[in-house]
Amino acid sequence: EADIYQTPRYLVIGTGKKITLECSQTMGHDKMYWYQQDPGMELHLIHYSYGVNSTEKGDLSSESTVSRIRTEHFPLTLESARPSHTSQYLCASSVAWTGAGDTQYFGPGTRLTVL
Amino acid sequence: RKEVEQDPGPFNVPEGATVAFNCTYSNSASQSFFWYRQDCRKEPKLLMSVYSSGNEDGRFTAQLNRASQYISLLIRDSKLSDSATYLCVVILVGNQFYFGTGTSLTVIP
Repeated sequence: EADIYQTPRYLVIGTGKKITLECSQTMGHDKMYWYQQDPGMELHLIHYSYGVNSTEKGDLSSESTVSRIRTEHFPLTLESARPSHTSQYLCASSVAWTGAGDTQYFGPGTRLTVL
Repeated sequence: RKEVEQDPGPFNVPEGATVAFNCTYSNSASQSFFWYRQDCRKEPKLLMSVYSSGNEDGRFTAQLNRASQYISLLIRDSKLSDSATYLCVVILVGNQFYFGTGTSLTVIP
């Protein structure tokens, strides 16, 4: 089992609220990722980080922001939630440079509903 | 052209059947390959790595064909519990991950 955690698991919130989705891992992985996935649809990479103080935007444009102050922690923030942000948000981590057998491990996800 | 392409399915097969999925990749410099399983409304979980020599884990066999740039997953003696979406993952030089869109499998009693 992967040691990567996300909170909250479920969140229902009103439009305009600021929210932060938490992600932490205890595997010492340098690289972390945030994906957005709608039901039955593919994963979309929205942010990633190579390590502390590194953040990059992914393939899918997102109104969210991320920070990486500690290796184990990679929170995602939405300043003003909208119904279009309703989705599942998955956090993942991997070692910085992959060798044979190294891959990404996913947290359980946060299912966000914005009313 | 996408880096990784999968037939989305759905594949509906009876219990006990053998089913195979393919996944093609476009970059010949791809280094590592994996299959993940994702249950409905859950996170993707690593199923198995894919090596050039092929590898087997119980009823599951994964193979890599570098010449034709595809990987495959074979499931023998399908169980109801195998129903899920199967994602292929390709890693390029520089640690770039590319996920396929997933192939949906439903095993029918």
